[in-house]
Amino acid sequence: DAMVIQNPRYQVTQFGKPVTLSCSQTLNHNVMYWYQQKSSQAPKLLFHYYDKDFNNEADTPDNFQSRRPNTSFCFLDIRSPGLGDAAMYLCAVGGGAYFPETQYFGPGTRLLVL
Amino acid sequence: DAKTTQPPSMDCAEGRAANLPCNHSTISGNEYVYWYRQIHSQGPQYIIHGLKNNETNEMASLIITEDRKSSTLILPHATLRDTAVYYCIVRANNAGNMLTFGGGTRLMVKP
Repeated sequence: DAMVIQNPRYQVTQFGKPVTLSCSQTLNHNVMYWYQQKSSQAPKLLFHYYDKDFNNEADTPDNFQSRRPNTSFCFLDIRSPGLGDAAMYLCAVGGGAYFPETQYFGPGTRLLVL
Repeated sequence: DAKTTQPPSMDCAEGRAANLPCNHSTISGNEYVYWYRQIHSQGPQYIIHGLKNNETNEMASLIITEDRKSSTLILPHATLRDTAVYYCIVRANNAGNMLTFGGGTRLMVKP
């Protein structure tokens, strides 16, 4: 059974048109992460939520926002997508009961900006 | 977090053991060694982690040198489905600590 679910798997948007990617989890872990992975590059952390506390990476553009309405769901909002934002967006969860923390990733959403 | 160094690519024959090295010479005492892999167009998958002792699970074995400055991930009987990019990451054990992915090793398992 899927533990980290991302929808949609593929998303096409237009330049400048806001887009929202979603992530949900069945693990009830308290930390949720969003990573961006561009072609042939390693994943790069954008931000994460520790419970309801939002933690932004210093170099994450203001164009990227996130919401976490409850433990299970987290959203990535791109307010005005540019061509350079085309990438795979990966959601991960962590901070469960097991020590040390292990992060579990979803399948990713591949964003195409036209 | 300490940085890691991995060879950019390796080949392995199907059915043979794949030994993937990682150098982490600046690792701190509270940092664990994690291994993840990413199969093409999928999200990264957790494989194994360790602090200082060797570890084994159903997927792989992790051998950490006594000085903790390097480690080796061993896939005992590689299959074609093990073709992926393998990332070695060192990370302090606090929830909320990000995984800093380096370049990884692209493992190609060949028939």
